[in-house]
Amino acid sequence: AQSVTQLDSQVPVFEEAPVELRCNYSSSVSVYLFWYVQYPNQGLQLLLKYLSGSTLVESINGFEAEFNKSQTSFHLRKPSVHISDTAEYFCAVSSLSGGSYIPTFGRGTSLIVHP
Amino acid sequence: KAGVTQTPRYLIKTRGQQVTLSCSPISGHRSVSWYQQTPGQGLQFLFEYFSETQRNKGNFPGRFSGRQFSNSRSEMNVSTLELGDSALYLCASSLLGGLSYEQYFGPGTRLTVT
Repeated sequence: AQSVTQLDSQVPVFEEAPVELRCNYSSSVSVYLFWYVQYPNQGLQLLLKYLSGSTLVESINGFEAEFNKSQTSFHLRKPSVHISDTAEYFCAVSSLSGGSYIPTFGRGTSLIVHP
Repeated sequence: KAGVTQTPRYLIKTRGQQVTLSCSPISGHRSVSWYQQTPGQGLQFLFEYFSETQRNKGNFPGRFSGRQFSNSRSEMNVSTLELGDSALYLCASSLLGGLSYEQYFGPGTRLTVT
């Protein structure tokens, strides 16, 4: 069975400071990894994903995440956050097992950006 | 292109009742997945439908069921509601489903069971 652990339920940070949201997973098979963002009263939006190839993936709004197979991690980083980045962030893993897939999500990390 | 729409947005039901939630995917998308989001359990996968067939199923009791119509619209039904069913129910559509296609989420239906 696969699982996802987001180590921090809440991360407060000041505007323009760097941030890292941590995500670790466990799975016995090859995985695909995702980060989603959820703004208040909205559904989830895909931020970035790792399927294969380069272990460093980037989003259009300055976030990046690095797949580390040995550490089974997929931490999300941004060098300088904005107030508008305040949201809930979810890490997710999908793996093919028995011919089908079931995505597993972490509990989420609430990023709170202070002015 | 219109996004994923879910109706109703808010719903209050009493224990023992049943409820039906609706999801209209993005035009052309054939896969629809349903999730339950609660503060305690986080986001949990309920099931996925593709071309009117249930393709994947999460670990939920049989009280939770769904279906998909020929136009890809999907409904989710919960029978004999329990207090613990209070949650935000999210629907997501994707072009073909599977691992690599991006899922687009709707705003959710907030169900409160009293």
